[in-house]
Amino acid sequence: KAGVTQTPRYLIKTRGQQVTLSCSPISGHRSVSWYQQTPGQGLQFLFEYFSETQRNKGNFPGRFSGRQFSNSRSEMNVSTLELGDSALYLCASSSNRDSRTIQYFGAGTRLSVL
Amino acid sequence: LAKTTQPISMDSYEGQEVNITCSHNNIATNDYITWYQQFPSQGPRFIIQGYKTKVTNEVASLFIPADRKSSTLSLPRVSLSDTAVYYCLVGARSGSARQLTFGSGTQLTVLP
Repeated sequence: KAGVTQTPRYLIKTRGQQVTLSCSPISGHRSVSWYQQTPGQGLQFLFEYFSETQRNKGNFPGRFSGRQFSNSRSEMNVSTLELGDSALYLCASSSNRDSRTIQYFGAGTRLSVL
Repeated sequence: LAKTTQPISMDSYEGQEVNITCSHNNIATNDYITWYQQFPSQGPRFIIQGYKTKVTNEVASLFIPADRKSSTLSLPRVSLSDTAVYYCLVGARSGSARQLTFGSGTQLTVLP
């Protein structure tokens, strides 16, 4: 079974631009969560989608948005990029949403904002 | 949301057993405890999950006391390739949502 696939793996943008990251979950998984990882802040939760609906959102500004399609694939968009948005963006998928469900992570997209 | 506390770093030698303890004082009744391993520039990888007592799989054991306020990840006979950051997570519920809360993790360095 293929794992979580994130594209692209690396991205370089300049301040003010916008970016879209893509995540294909494990086949059959309906929940997709996004995380931002930086050396200073560690892993921080961005948002979770389940059956095309956002179920939870972390403490990030409105410049960070996402969506999920009917095939469970998800995209994350960041508008008006700032230098501080440089990070590893991780996507995780799971089959459902109860407490014991394991989330499986992709390799991430490394975003550099210049 | 349940908060976890782990040692920031640990050193060990190849072939030794390593135990990493995590405290989670306000764990909820229905929360499971999950451990992940992360190498640089990669996504976290699931290691083991448990609810109470002891769980063992092919790579690790997880010990959880009766009060569930802490848990210990045990890695038998570590090798250099086990050098990574290890995260202890407690599944958190916020209304109908579920969100994983990552602490700072424990940087394990295995020395030859």
